[in-house]
Amino acid sequence: NAGVTQTPKFQVLKTGQSMTLQCAQDMNHNSMYWYRQDPGMGLRLIYYSASEGTTDKGEVPNGYNVSRLNKREFSLRLESAAPSQTSVYFCASRVGGPGYGYTFGSGTRLTVV
Amino acid sequence: DQQVKQNSPSLSVQEGRISILNCDYTNSMFDYFLWYKKYPAEGPTFLISISSIKDKNEDGRFTVFLNKSAKHLSLHIVPSQPGDSAVYFCAASAAGGTSYGKLTFGQGTILTVHP
Repeated sequence: NAGVTQTPKFQVLKTGQSMTLQCAQDMNHNSMYWYRQDPGMGLRLIYYSASEGTTDKGEVPNGYNVSRLNKREFSLRLESAAPSQTSVYFCASRVGGPGYGYTFGSGTRLTVV
Repeated sequence: DQQVKQNSPSLSVQEGRISILNCDYTNSMFDYFLWYKKYPAEGPTFLISISSIKDKNEDGRFTVFLNKSAKHLSLHIVPSQPGDSAVYFCAASAAGGTSYGKLTFGQGTILTVHP
């Protein structure tokens, strides 16, 4: 049972380049989320998808776009990468209501130079 | 505005002793609270949660206490083991409204348990 799979695990981009972070879950979860983790800031929500076909902005959406391709897949796109987007990105999914924990992927470490 | 705060960046305890990790929140709409544990190079893993209608929830060595009037929760680990050394994140969620299902995380506390 793979859970939540993120690709790639590491990436180095030059300022202005674009890339897409991929996320897939095999648990038939409805809700999926993208967070970024920065030192001293905890995890901050970028975008989320409550169900297939819907996406909404989180706390720090600027510079990002998302696509909920189907129930399994939720991708995060950086159209023009900036050094401020250097971070560790986590995708997560959840089966039920607010009291249920997320299942997180192992993360993508992105460096923008 | 940090709605969930973990004011202690780090905590060091001896194996076998109690570890107490603290978390404060400001948003009175939060009604579910969760703790996550994170090892280096891995994603966070869910540990334990508590609803605002309770003041305590236990799961093995882990107990979460909630004080709604003080907007404070804590995670107790008894007894602490070296394998508990990790970053612990507190998170909160609201059951309704525009915040439905979204978790707001604290900054994290690095726990080190010494043998």
